[in-house]
Amino acid sequence: SQLAEENSWALSVHEGESVTVNCSYKTSITALQWYRQKSGKGPAQLILIRSNEREKRNGRLRATLDTSSQSSSLSITATRCEDTAVYFCATPPSGSWQLIFGSGTQLTVMP
Amino acid sequence: NAGVIQTPRHKVTGKGQEATLWCEPISGHSAVFWYRQTIVQGLEFLTYFRNQAPIDDSGMPKERFSAQMPNQSHSTLKIQSTQPQDSAVYLCASSLAPQGPETLYFGSGTRLTVL
Repeated sequence: SQLAEENSWALSVHEGESVTVNCSYKTSITALQWYRQKSGKGPAQLILIRSNEREKRNGRLRATLDTSSQSSSLSITATRCEDTAVYFCATPPSGSWQLIFGSGTQLTVMP
Repeated sequence: NAGVIQTPRHKVTGKGQEATLWCEPISGHSAVFWYRQTIVQGLEFLTYFRNQAPIDDSGMPKERFSAQMPNQSHSTLKIQSTQPQDSAVYLCASSLAPQGPETLYFGSGTRLTVL
């Protein structure tokens, strides 16, 4: 079983709309990361949010972290076709440097 | 900065042959990670090095898989006697990692196909 897992297999929106990808995790964490993987490429980090942070922004992206419910969300506003990708949340096991990735959410942004 | 470079991009081997995958981390990064990605299993951690030393290989299949980092500029993942189930995209990532897990910078991967 995964330490962190996205709550949806797939989402689709039209360009310009907003979308939120949700992630739940199983243990106490020091930080949670959001990555995006486009076809034929490796994952690229979008946001790293630490356990003492509740919200973090990066342009059109906003990540939240709720340690009480052990959940995180990644919101994208004003979506573009190029936001089409698989979105992963990831976190390391306690005492480890390796990142454990969720199964990912395929986001499709339609024209 | 060319990012993490992985070669080859694609490799096709016959069952039972050996495959060696190469990774050049970002200059100055002290940690190198290997992952395997398949549709069924998703992104699986294999192993990582810190300052060239192997730190955690808990994700590596015990037989046929080995990884090395002979110098700070490259790492290799070797699969002996490849099997069809080894077919996957193998991803290498590097990290500054001076204090612990931080941003991983991934290469584009090597797609291994075992016939």
